[in-house]
Amino acid sequence: GAVVSQHPSRVICKSGTSVKIECRSLDFQATTMFWYRQFPKQSLMLMATSNEGSKATYEQGVEKDKFLINHASLTLSTLTVTSAHPEDSSFYICSARDGRRETYEQYFGPGTRLTVT
Amino acid sequence: AQKVTQAQTEISVVEKEDVTLDCVYETRDTTYYLFWYKQPPSGELVFLIRRNSFDEQNEISGRYSWNFQKSTSSFNFTITASQVVDSAVYFCALSEGETGANNLFFGTGTRLTVIP
Repeated sequence: GAVVSQHPSRVICKSGTSVKIECRSLDFQATTMFWYRQFPKQSLMLMATSNEGSKATYEQGVEKDKFLINHASLTLSTLTVTSAHPEDSSFYICSARDGRRETYEQYFGPGTRLTVT
Repeated sequence: AQKVTQAQTEISVVEKEDVTLDCVYETRDTTYYLFWYKQPPSGELVFLIRRNSFDEQNEISGRYSWNFQKSTSSFNFTITASQVVDSAVYFCALSEGETGANNLFFGTGTRLTVIP
């Protein structure tokens, strides 16, 4: 089955610093990747959709200058949380869509737990 | 607008009991997909099932079964003879469109605790 990895799995950073999270599709080409955020004991909320080679589309209420998304290749998308604050502490999950399959299956990464101190 | 409602926030059952997790959805699309995911304490989402809007057949997979009722916009999930390993948060989700691979709208989740 298709595998999506995320790195790092956990990160602790100080307030004001930037953190980069990587999402990789390991055995397929992902034309589209989605980034979700999950606060403790809450549901997953879509932050943005990124298509390879183009700018990401952000959901309402998500600051694009704060959450920088780059989808430079068909196997890698990155989410950079700039000038992180404690309220950005959350579980970030990416998913990747396999463009080769007729049904465009979507696969989730294992998530990255970000703690901002 | 799309919406997924999981009215049960938390459920506790004793091992070997059956349990049903409810999911009600709203969408204006005629073509859409419904999903169930399991999220254990590790956080990783485990895919359980995907069902398109044109397939109302119920499905059984081992101890798991799903009841899709388009007339009531519900897609309920039943675990038979529950086990401790079933303890997790379960999410129902909706993807609009023809492929089922557009972004997902998740319900708020139901936390299931199976007591030994």
